[in-house]
Amino acid sequence: DTGVSQDPRHKITKRGQNVTFRCDPISEHNRLYWYRQTLGQGPEFLTYFQNEAQLEKSRLLSDRFSAERPKGSFSTLEIQRTEQGDSAMYLCASSLVLVRQPNTEAFFGQGTRLTVV
Amino acid sequence: SQQGEEDPQALSIQEGENATMNCSYKTSINNLQWYRQNSGRGLVHLILIRSNEREKHSGRLRVTLDTSKKSSSLLITASRAADTASYFCGADKIIFGKGTRLHILP
Repeated sequence: DTGVSQDPRHKITKRGQNVTFRCDPISEHNRLYWYRQTLGQGPEFLTYFQNEAQLEKSRLLSDRFSAERPKGSFSTLEIQRTEQGDSAMYLCASSLVLVRQPNTEAFFGQGTRLTVV
Repeated sequence: SQQGEEDPQALSIQEGENATMNCSYKTSINNLQWYRQNSGRGLVHLILIRSNEREKHSGRLRVTLDTSKKSSSLLITASRAADTASYFCGADKIIFGKGTRLHILP
């Protein structure tokens, strides 16, 4: 396992289409995070999972966005009816957080760059 | 994120010099992390400092944390061309600010 893997790396879609991104975290990492980053900005937190449970969603995550982590391993982020404003880099990260060791680093994937035309 | 920010926004220094960048935040934290991001790539974790620690070293990196001032600093010593990147700080699941864009001049 070489790290967090995201697929695809690039996606160009027409406005109004649905897109789905996949993230494979580091094996045995129980937490998985999604972020969105636009040019010149820092990553903005979207949502995170503890195993298969989605524990928090940012206000940035509109009704058109949905994320799942059905088996507590890989996760998908779907954007329905894409808009030009959805164009961004979507980053996934994972970490192993234990009760006795809550302070652990997060490892990021290379991201999926979405362009909505 | 409005919960914190890095300073300065941009920094250019000569190769071999030291680079210092700062992070200020507004929330209570359990730990603070620094990340590096090369253009168009994901973030790479550099170092984590816990809220009960004041200073931490890792190779050419030195991080300080002052929870009373809600601030942290990252010092990169003997900078190299490969250090050219954007640097972000964050706590828990939040990445603060727009980062510091560091450019190492040859």
